[in-house]
Amino acid sequence: QVQLVESGGGVVHSGRSLRVSCAASGFMFSRYAMNWVRQAPGKGLEWVAVISYDGSNQYIADSVKGRFIISRDNYKDILYLQMNSLTIEDTAVYYCARDPLSYSSGRGDGFDIWGQGTMVTVSS
Amino acid sequence: QSVLIQPPSVSGTPGQRVTISCSGSNSNIGSNYVYWYQQFPGTAPKLLVDGNTQRPSGVPDRFSGSKSGSSASLAISGLRSEDEAEYYCVAWDDSLSGYVFGTGAKVTVL
Repeated sequence: QVQLVESGGGVVHSGRSLRVSCAASGFMFSRYAMNWVRQAPGKGLEWVAVISYDGSNQYIADSVKGRFIISRDNYKDILYLQMNSLTIEDTAVYYCARDPLSYSSGRGDGFDIWGQGTMVTVSS
Repeated sequence: QSVLIQPPSVSGTPGQRVTISCSGSNSNIGSNYVYWYQQFPGTAPKLLVDGNTQRPSGVPDRFSGSKSGSSASLAISGLRSEDEAEYYCVAWDDSLSGYVFGTGAKVTVL
């Protein structure tokens, strides 16, 4: 079945880096734009980044621009989020989510499939 | 930072109809589709309404979405205890070149 499984979360000190991954299965990963969405403890959802189906376009939220990089490996069916210069405010569950339309740039189609999330805790 | 405004809480009795509003601007709701998600504590969000008004397969027809100008609404008719959850609206924002989520609305069934 269609599935997204995040991994790579954990506890990291402020100022350090961490990369989280999202393994896709059950669908043609290379045809779909992919997103990262995060949720701080007890808070609402915040969109982080989107990458087009072929990786040629990325859009990043202002709150993480210059620190976070979204990328993908369409051979391994894996989505990545490289997080640098982490701060306590980056503590959150990080979800990957699929754009429902094939061959999309990722602008405005929403998200249909979500992973279970991976927790990232930034400590001081 | 959320730029779509939702009421923090909405409540109703079983069987009642409740509505959750989502207020945005011309650059987001006014120009793009709105999507609605349902989230239970400790779980990933689930798509409820796609493209302003469309219900994905498996979503009960008790849930309906609408949009007018730069605002949107989610209506839940025949409210049931299992509808107690957090509900979020989201839309692409052309000015920010990114998605903006609503502040979230918690539905309580009295």
